[in-house]
Amino acid sequence: GENVEQHPSTLSVQEGDSAVIKCTYSDSASNYFPWYKQELGKRPQLIIDIRSNVGEKKDQRIAVTLNKTAKHFSLHITETQPEDSAVYFCAASMFSGGYNKLIFGAGTRLAVHP
Amino acid sequence: KAGVTQTPRYLIKTRGQQVTLSCSPISGHRSVSWYQQTPGQGLQFLFEYFSETQRNKGNFPGRFSGRQFSNSRSEMNVSTLELGDSALYLCASSLGDGNQPQHFGDGTRLSIL
Repeated sequence: GENVEQHPSTLSVQEGDSAVIKCTYSDSASNYFPWYKQELGKRPQLIIDIRSNVGEKKDQRIAVTLNKTAKHFSLHITETQPEDSAVYFCAASMFSGGYNKLIFGAGTRLAVHP
Repeated sequence: KAGVTQTPRYLIKTRGQQVTLSCSPISGHRSVSWYQQTPGQGLQFLFEYFSETQRNKGNFPGRFSGRQFSNSRSEMNVSTLELGDSALYLCASSLGDGNQPQHFGDGTRLSIL
């Protein structure tokens, strides 16, 4: 079925700590995995993405890792700051009807405390 | 480059009415996808349009429909509104299908009384 599971649903860390969010997908043919950050009252913003031919991708304090065998991928945020507080969504592309669509996880609410 | 524009930003309707939401994609983007966002449910895929054709559809009832015009602007329509349709409706545009980065608009918050 079309399913992306995301854990945890809420995450609370102290400023400077690391945060990790994990997602599992069901379709072994999925090959594109973006992550979005949504601040309160704002639109989801793409922060990083990875394709299935790559195992890891970094952009400053954020990184994404992909394990195709286990069908899971993770977002890692290091040296967290209060402005990292937001809801984070993972997504996986799924092939349906000749084209790909994005299936999103339920989101993780990250709170970074000063 | 202007971003994705959605109108209106807020809408209040009553049960049984119908509503039309509009989305203008980033210039050059021919794909427009629509999502419903409710608390705790994440983003649920409604449908995707490309060059005026619906290429993909999510698991929503037939009361939810959409269309795309030749300039890539898209509209979605919800008929016979129900209380459970209250949500934030987001559209996203991209150069291709779900394998390409999608850029979201600010959404239309629909409240059903």
